[in-house]
Amino acid sequence: GQQVMQIPQYQHVQEGEDFTTYCNSSTTLSNIQWYKQRPGGHPVFLIQLVKSGEVKKQKRLTFQFGEAKKNSSLHITATQTTDVGTYFCAGLNYGQNFVFGPGTRLSVLP
Amino acid sequence: EAGVTQFPSHSVIEKGQTVTLRCDPISGHDNLYWYRRVMGKEIKFLLHFVKESKQDESGMPNNRFLAERTGGTYSTLKVQPAELEDSGVYFCASSRVNYGYTFGSGTRLTVV
Repeated sequence: GQQVMQIPQYQHVQEGEDFTTYCNSSTTLSNIQWYKQRPGGHPVFLIQLVKSGEVKKQKRLTFQFGEAKKNSSLHITATQTTDVGTYFCAGLNYGQNFVFGPGTRLSVLP
Repeated sequence: EAGVTQFPSHSVIEKGQTVTLRCDPISGHDNLYWYRRVMGKEIKFLLHFVKESKQDESGMPNNRFLAERTGGTYSTLKVQPAELEDSGVYFCASSRVNYGYTFGSGTRLTVV
């Protein structure tokens, strides 16, 4: 079945440093979504990417969908302590349901 | 609009007991999903309703889990009898077609 992997599993950065998490699918995806879960909270939808090679920005966050639609990345510029949490990607394999990756847990040291 | 509501927020039960989790999706969202996260691992799909119909229940771990969605509104997920490995956080999410999911706050289930 479809598998979605994320690396790294954990990332510790100093406040102000950049952060990137990568998401890879074993199958070609129709859509990919990104979620953020704060400690003790629930996943909150960030963005959806649909087109091959698509790049979307939300303030300091940049999301990219690979040309082959099998991978994606989330890049945070100049991290802040409010960025702490686990970032999940979720890939949709045409006509099926979204499969979540294991998440990347981000810690930001002040 | 009101968000996705889950009840209870926490539940501690003994092995062998029964627990029923409830999810009230956002009004007008035909799609309702149940996911769970066990021991901090990945969020795993359990099942998907479209209105009152089960669209996909391939993620349900075994027949101790029963999900219903009466009249296409709220949904319940019953675990009977509960086992220790059922402990985790159960999330419900709803969506319109081709939109991001809105997750509820989850129910933290602890089976002792």
